[in-house]
Amino acid sequence: DVKVTQSSRYLVKRTGEKVFLECVQDMDHENMFWYRQDPGLGLRLIYFSYDVKMKEKGDIPEGYSVSREKKERFSLILESASTNQTSMYLCASKGEGGGSYNEQFFGPGTRLTVL
Amino acid sequence: AQKITQTQPGMFVQEKEAVTLDCTYDTSDPSYGLFWYKQPSSGEMIFLIYQGSYDQQNATEGRYSLNFQKARKSANLVISASQLGDSAMYFCAIQGNNNDMRFGAGTRLTVKP
Repeated sequence: DVKVTQSSRYLVKRTGEKVFLECVQDMDHENMFWYRQDPGLGLRLIYFSYDVKMKEKGDIPEGYSVSREKKERFSLILESASTNQTSMYLCASKGEGGGSYNEQFFGPGTRLTVL
Repeated sequence: AQKITQTQPGMFVQEKEAVTLDCTYDTSDPSYGLFWYKQPSSGEMIFLIYQGSYDQQNATEGRYSLNFQKARKSANLVISASQLGDSAMYFCAIQGNNNDMRFGAGTRLTVKP
């Protein structure tokens, strides 16, 4: 079974703090993704990575950065947290391959509150 | 660019009846995949069903089927014989050549006993 884990289920930070959200997958997947989920907006792609040290911007990268130093780990960084970054953050991973093997596997999510 | 539109914020269905959740999409990629995920109140994202753009037949997985109409760019999810445990958020998503996926806003399905 693919397992995607995220470092925290709940996190409370203060405005201006630097925040690290960690994601680890154990299936040797090449591709990893960070989304934020807000009511009425669904999941929006922040960044994704298709290989170690590679990253691509998604639809809402402003205010975020990412790091992928090892294949299994993909970190999302909020350089200076703001209240509008209060959200649920979901990490996902995906291997290479076609058909139904294209599915993304999700972690349990981190609910971040910025005060 | 790819886009998914789910126009039903909320849907209600009686237990044991069938329900259709709508999804339309837009993409310029010649080859793409369409996905449906379920998110119960516990928050995990559960993969339900996949349809490839070149698949000739509509996908089915148990009580889930995907009504794929390529010309209309729609990929509706049909759940047959609804159960109370089907109450959840349902997301439609599209994945193109770049491996990145775009999701719709979701539909909250409530199954009534």
